[in-house]
Amino acid sequence: GESVGLHLPTLSVQEGDNSIINCAYSNSASDYFIWYKQESGKGPQFIIDIRSNMDKRQGQRVTVLLNKTVKHLSLQIAATQPGDSAVYFCAEKRGLERGAQKLVFGQGTRLTINP
Amino acid sequence: EAQVTQNPRYLITVTGKKLTVTCSQNMNHEYMSWYRQDPGLGLRQIYYSMNVEVTDKGDVPEGYKVSRKEKRNFPLILESPSPNQTSLYFCASSTIAGVEQYFGPGTRLTVT
Repeated sequence: GESVGLHLPTLSVQEGDNSIINCAYSNSASDYFIWYKQESGKGPQFIIDIRSNMDKRQGQRVTVLLNKTVKHLSLQIAATQPGDSAVYFCAEKRGLERGAQKLVFGQGTRLTINP
Repeated sequence: EAQVTQNPRYLITVTGKKLTVTCSQNMNHEYMSWYRQDPGLGLRQIYYSMNVEVTDKGDVPEGYKVSRKEKRNFPLILESPSPNQTSLYFCASSTIAGVEQYFGPGTRLTVT
């Protein structure tokens, strides 16, 4: 069935190092791919998105890469900081009838930053 | 401050006792949605609404109702809660074509 999944459920990195969080998806019909960050006790927060016709998009300390050939999405965080500790979700945005939209989320990767 | 609010944040109830979780947004967004978050299953969409009086089912609508009488509010109603509805619930909103959804802080519901 349709799914958006993650390769690794947990990831630990040293403060200051770069982090790479991966995501595999199975449905090619999505028009956007999105990364959300969820800190403990809070709702998901939008980080960055990439349109399906793009390969790379950069934000502030974050880069998202999209490889449609192998249906793979990654989030790179540069110079990780303690505040980056959270669960990261990838999501697909799919258009539905009558202009509706749907977000399909992966299961999440917990990123832990070691001092 | 632009935000989505939910109430209550925590709720413990018993099987069969009707409850409502409120959701309100102050961004004049047309689109609102409810999700439930369960370990190992991620976030799954329950219902969504594209505008006032327009609602539709998501992936897991069974046992839930919603209404959209005003643009800013989108309450989630559990007419007869059951233990399998114990979960963490999130409300979200966005513009109709927007990619970014704004999420509320969550409501942790326990049904005994």
